[in-house]
Amino acid sequence: DAGVTQSPTHLIKTRGQQVTLRCSPKSGHDTVSWYQQALGQGPQFIFQYYEEEERQRGNFPDRFSGHQFPNYSSELNVNALLLGDSALYLCASSLGGGSGANVLTFGAGSRLTVL
Amino acid sequence: KNQVEQSPQSLIILEGKNCTLQCNYTVSPFSNLRWYKQDTGRGPVSLTIMTFSENTKSNGRYTATLDADTKQSSLHITASQLSDSASYICVVMVGPNNGAKEGGGFKTIFGAGTRLFVKA
Repeated sequence: DAGVTQSPTHLIKTRGQQVTLRCSPKSGHDTVSWYQQALGQGPQFIFQYYEEEERQRGNFPDRFSGHQFPNYSSELNVNALLLGDSALYLCASSLGGGSGANVLTFGAGSRLTVL
Repeated sequence: KNQVEQSPQSLIILEGKNCTLQCNYTVSPFSNLRWYKQDTGRGPVSLTIMTFSENTKSNGRYTATLDADTKQSSLHITASQLSDSASYICVVMVGPNNGAKEGGGFKTIFGAGTRLFVKA
């Protein structure tokens, strides 16, 4: 039973470029949340997808966008990259649209470095 | 404003010793509180989840406590091992909010974590 898988694990981009990160949720899960974690900080909520719709969004600019596919996998897109976007991007899956009782299962993350 | 604060920011202990990590929260309405362990460069892994009515919960050498009156939680690690070196993150689930979309209405508030170093 595969857990949450993310790709790529590491990538390097330059300022102004665009990046797409991918996430496959844990088998049986239908909800995907994305987080940005700067070095030495806790994860910051970006947005959550359920039933192929963005259900909740944190305090991130429109440069951050996402998508959820019918198979529940998800993508995070970041446009016009800034140096400050360098971080570990975590994907977490759960069941039922983020019901409070459900435990988030995290992937290993995608480490993005913006030069 | 919903906030989760953890202390200390970092901690160094010798292998075999015990330690306690603290989490204070100011959220409303409170749903549950979770402790996660995050190894360097990896995603967080859940250790415990506690609801309003639970005071203590154990998972092996990890014991979490919750005081809903003072809005404080602690994570106690006994007989520490080198593999316990990691960040420990307190996560509070807030909600549900009335009128929220079905299945939604919950927010996850993360603390900044406590970085634990266990030395031989």
